[in-house]
Amino acid sequence: GENVEQHPSTLSVQEGDSAVIKCTYSDSASNYFPWYKQELGKRPQLIIDIRSNVGEKKDQRIAVTLNKTAKHFSLHITETQPEDSAVYFCAAAATGTASKLTFGTGTRLQVTL
Amino acid sequence: NAGVTQTPKFQVLKTGQSMTLQCAQDMNHNSMYWYRQDPGMGLRLIYYSASEGTTDKGEVPNGYNVSRLNKREFSLRLESAAPSQTSVYFCASSPSQGAGELFFGEGSRLTVL
Repeated sequence: GENVEQHPSTLSVQEGDSAVIKCTYSDSASNYFPWYKQELGKRPQLIIDIRSNVGEKKDQRIAVTLNKTAKHFSLHITETQPEDSAVYFCAAAATGTASKLTFGTGTRLQVTL
Repeated sequence: NAGVTQTPKFQVLKTGQSMTLQCAQDMNHNSMYWYRQDPGMGLRLIYYSASEGTTDKGEVPNGYNVSRLNKREFSLRLESAAPSQTSVYFCASSPSQGAGELFFGEGSRLTVL
């Protein structure tokens, strides 16, 4: 089955700096790569996703890049703000009968003032 | 529009007791999922239902059973709870049968003593 590795497990940045979280996956059949944000005590919520037919996608301060050859994808957050503090999960799934996401182990991002 | 609703939100069980976690969605989604979240391990898929009338095992199905009661409802049953099943359980749904966004419930925190 799919295996998704995520690094780093914790990340501390100063407000205004950029943050980068990296993930690798093992199954070459995977073609859908979402990122979820989970605030303390809350449910995970999708912040951005990318499919294998594109290499990069942006949404305001958030961007995701995908390198299918190397089987890795990354989340980039620019101009970080205190409200960006949360746990971020990457995930991967292959096209199939359901959205069977395999998640990474999460990155706790702390944005300090 | 409530989205995905899980009950109960908190539960304490003794080893060997049984219980059912209930999940309902009002978004007319086809697919539903049960994940468990443990510290340092991300979210792991227990069971999923790609469409009404079908259920399939995920990554960690042992010790659990599920029922897709109708299109709206998907329940998770622990027949004989074990301390290893102490976790936060999330139900999720997705609109299509292919890979796409998951909409999560608020989570159910289960402690098995």
